[in-house]
Amino acid sequence: KAGVTQTPRYLIKTRGQQVTLSCSPISGHRSVSWYQQTPGQGLQFLFEYFSETQRNKGNFPGRFSGRQFSNSRSEMNVSTLELGDSALYLCASSLVDSTGTDTQYFGPGTRLTVL
Amino acid sequence: EDKVVQSPLSLVVHEGDTVTLNCSYEVTNFRSLLWYKQEKKAPTFLFMLTSSGIEKKSGRLSSILDKKELFSILNITATQTGDSAVYLCAVAETSGSRLTFGEGTQLTVNP
Repeated sequence: KAGVTQTPRYLIKTRGQQVTLSCSPISGHRSVSWYQQTPGQGLQFLFEYFSETQRNKGNFPGRFSGRQFSNSRSEMNVSTLELGDSALYLCASSLVDSTGTDTQYFGPGTRLTVL
Repeated sequence: EDKVVQSPLSLVVHEGDTVTLNCSYEVTNFRSLLWYKQEKKAPTFLFMLTSSGIEKKSGRLSSILDKKELFSILNITATQTGDSAVYLCAVAETSGSRLTFGEGTQLTVNP
């Protein structure tokens, strides 16, 4: 099976702009989660989507939003970019198994640089 | 607030050494603990642990969970330079797929 794919892989934006990142999960996976990774804060949970509904949300401002489509592909959007939004954005997909547990598999990430 | 603490934060060893990485957690609704290895980009999955005392093993890597004392260890025996990476510990809650990550342990294996 193909792994989690993310596009674009690298992005450079300026302050005030907005950006949309895309994630395609592993085939059959219905849960998609987004994480922000920075040297200072490590990996932090942004939000999770399951069957097109946001199921969980981290402590990020409303400038960070997302959505999931019927084919489980997900997008996240960041509006009014700030310098501190520069980070590696990772998407992870998971398949809940019969025991109710799941393993999250990560994509390669999108490296966003805000100038 | 949920918390995951890893130690040590950094470790330098020689090829052939055995290392033990630690992870302790405080999570309200614990479901499972996961270990990942991160080299350049995406974290790659190593283990998922849900039950106490049952060792998971994959080649030279093994891990065990203690749900009473709220910690897990990751052991790597006969280390190789290819084991150099950041090892991340994460805890999953009972609701949803949210993972809370520790800061990671930077392992450097010198030849």
